[in-house]
Amino acid sequence: GAGVSQSPSNKVTEKGKDVELRCDPISGHTALYWYRQSLGQGLEFLIYFQGNSAPDKSGLPSDRFSAERTGGSVSTLTIQRTQQEDSAVYLCASSLLSWTGELFFGEGSRLTVL
Amino acid sequence: GENVEQHPSTLSVQEGDSAVIKCTYSDSASNYFPWYKQELGKRPQLIIDIRSNVGEKKDQRIAVTLNKTAKHFSLHITETQPEDSAVYFCAAGTSYDKVIFGPGTSLSVIP
Repeated sequence: GAGVSQSPSNKVTEKGKDVELRCDPISGHTALYWYRQSLGQGLEFLIYFQGNSAPDKSGLPSDRFSAERTGGSVSTLTIQRTQQEDSAVYLCASSLLSWTGELFFGEGSRLTVL
Repeated sequence: GENVEQHPSTLSVQEGDSAVIKCTYSDSASNYFPWYKQELGKRPQLIIDIRSNVGEKKDQRIAVTLNKTAKHFSLHITETQPEDSAVYFCAAGTSYDKVIFGPGTSLSVIP
């Protein structure tokens, strides 16, 4: 595609429910990243994929968070038993090469946990 | 792991003046230092980056400097314009590890 596509753009859920956020990176980009941005805050690293493997999961806040990437393309970030503190914008980015290359960000998925 | 600090957190300048944002990093192995601009409600976009084999890089009104010995790097914007108003993020990373972002600087250019 022309850019990184994320869905849903907005998600409102009740505390305790599970949510799935999807990221479709730029075609041909082998590296894919998830970041979290709370209101007015910086970009918190969550997880990084090179192809289908995730060499670095160190940023995942808890075991309620998981992510997978299939076919070296689409990635899904799953948050189980959502909590109010999970409310944030979840940004996905892809890069043609590994870390030392430009990150192309999606528009983000805004998650609100009531 | 890498830790990136950024100052100031907010910055207001008059149109036409210069703006300087400073960042420090902790991992001496970091060799890639990008800067991203995020306008209100939009996605972050790369504006300039520098690698450790150079000390300075310039692109029109934007310049970055890097001091590897002191582990700090800076963004300089000259002749600021209202459209420069945004949040700016510095970041640091290596060729084998993730890029870590600083907390951001909210720049306001007053017409």
